[in-house]
Amino acid sequence: EPEVTQTPSHQVTQMGQEVILRCVPISNHLYFYWYRQILGQKVEFLVSFYNNEISEKSEIFDDQFSVERPDGSNFTLKIRSTKLEDSAMYFCASNREGETQYFGPGTRLLVL
Amino acid sequence: AQSVSQHNHHVILSEAASLELGCNYSYGGTVNLFWYVQYPGQHLQLLLKYFSGDPLVKGIKGFEAEFIKSKFSFNLRKPSVQWSDTAEYFCAVNHGSGNTGKLIFGQGTTLQVKP
Repeated sequence: EPEVTQTPSHQVTQMGQEVILRCVPISNHLYFYWYRQILGQKVEFLVSFYNNEISEKSEIFDDQFSVERPDGSNFTLKIRSTKLEDSAMYFCASNREGETQYFGPGTRLLVL
Repeated sequence: AQSVSQHNHHVILSEAASLELGCNYSYGGTVNLFWYVQYPGQHLQLLLKYFSGDPLVKGIKGFEAEFIKSKFSFNLRKPSVQWSDTAEYFCAVNHGSGNTGKLIFGQGTTLQVKP
C-alpha cells in the first residue's frame, strides 16, 4: 500500500538556523498538507497546497515558514530562522479530492 | 471558529471492557468527521470516517462511531477492547465536499488497556 514518507525522522538544530523538512506524498495525490504537534498538545494545521500554490494557511504559518514542491515528488516545509517554540512533530499529509488525508510518520524537530 | 472537543484526556480500561470516547465539534455546515489513531511510535492512521449517508460508521479493528447531527457529536465505540488498542485517539473534522480542507483535531484521548 502506498505511503507518505518523511525525512528526516529526527532533526536537532540551533535556534536561528534554517531547516527543511521533506515529504514524499502518495504519487497520484494532488492535495498536500503540513500539520504539527507540539508535545502534549493537539495536532494543528499549518498549510495546504494544491496546484503549486498555497490553498490555505493558519496563523502559525507566518513569514518564517514556506512550502515548495520543487519537483514532481517532493513537498517541503522550510523554516527560515527556527525558534525554540518551533520544536514539535511535523506531519505531512496528502490526498485526492473526496478521499481521506493520509499522514506520514512525522519529523521530530528539536530547536536548542 | 471551528473547534473539536474530546471529553476524555486519559482513559484506563481492562481488556474486554467497552469503550466510548466522546467527540463534539462546532460547525454549522456540512462536515466530514474522522477518528485517527496513533499507536506508540507510529504515525496517524485512519480508524473510520463519515462523509454522508448512514450515521453509524464501522471502521477497522472493530471500532464504530455514530454521527448525531443534532448533538454535533461523533463518538467512538468498541464493545470489547484489547491490550493492542492502547494508543492515542484523535477526533477530527473538516468541512465542505471533497475533503480537501484543513483537518481540525481534538486534543486527543490516551487510551491505556490493562491486560
